[in-house]
Amino acid sequence: AQSVTQLDSQVPVFEEAPVELRCNYSSSVSVYLFWYVQYPNQGLQLLLKYLSGSTLVKGINGFEAEFNKSQTSFHLRKPSVHISDTAEYFCAVSDHSNDMRFGAGTRLTVKP
Amino acid sequence: DTGVSQNPRHKITKRGQNVTFRCDPISEHNRLYWYRQTLGQGPEFLTYFQNEAQLEKSRLLSDRFSAERPKGSFSTLEIQRTEQGDSAMYLCASSYSTRRGNTIYFGEGSWLTVV
Repeated sequence: AQSVTQLDSQVPVFEEAPVELRCNYSSSVSVYLFWYVQYPNQGLQLLLKYLSGSTLVKGINGFEAEFNKSQTSFHLRKPSVHISDTAEYFCAVSDHSNDMRFGAGTRLTVKP
Repeated sequence: DTGVSQNPRHKITKRGQNVTFRCDPISEHNRLYWYRQTLGQGPEFLTYFQNEAQLEKSRLLSDRFSAERPKGSFSTLEIQRTEQGDSAMYLCASSYSTRRGNTIYFGEGSWLTVV
């Protein structure tokens, strides 16, 4: 069975600072990895995904993530955050089945 | 592409009443999913359809829950005899299955409050 652990439930950061949101996964098979963002009272929006190929994946809004198979990690990064990046971020994993598992989420708060 | 559409967006109901949520997926997507999300948690898988066939159900989906996708297009999720523990956001999502994995696109969710 696959699972996802988001290591930080809350990450406060000042505007224009860099940020890293950590995600570790476990799976016995090859996986596909995703990061979603959720703004208050809204559904989830796909930020980026890793299916295969280059381990550095670039997404929307200036976010990127790096797949590290040896460390079973898929950390999300942004070099300079904005107030508008304040949201809940979810890491998710799926294999060749249809069971996408989500982490508990990381609340990113960007302060002025 | 209008995205995944859900309605109603919010529903307040008394305990014991039945509620139904509707989901219209992205038109070319053959897979449709239902998830439940409670405050402070990530979405939890409930069930999914491939076209009109319901292929998987989570153990979270008790007998009071039923989902249908009669013509392989829109889907409904009905909760009978609602309980306070059913209060959550119900997320619908859709995807087009490929060998390289599915990218699942979510709707904005339907909030249920059982009082």
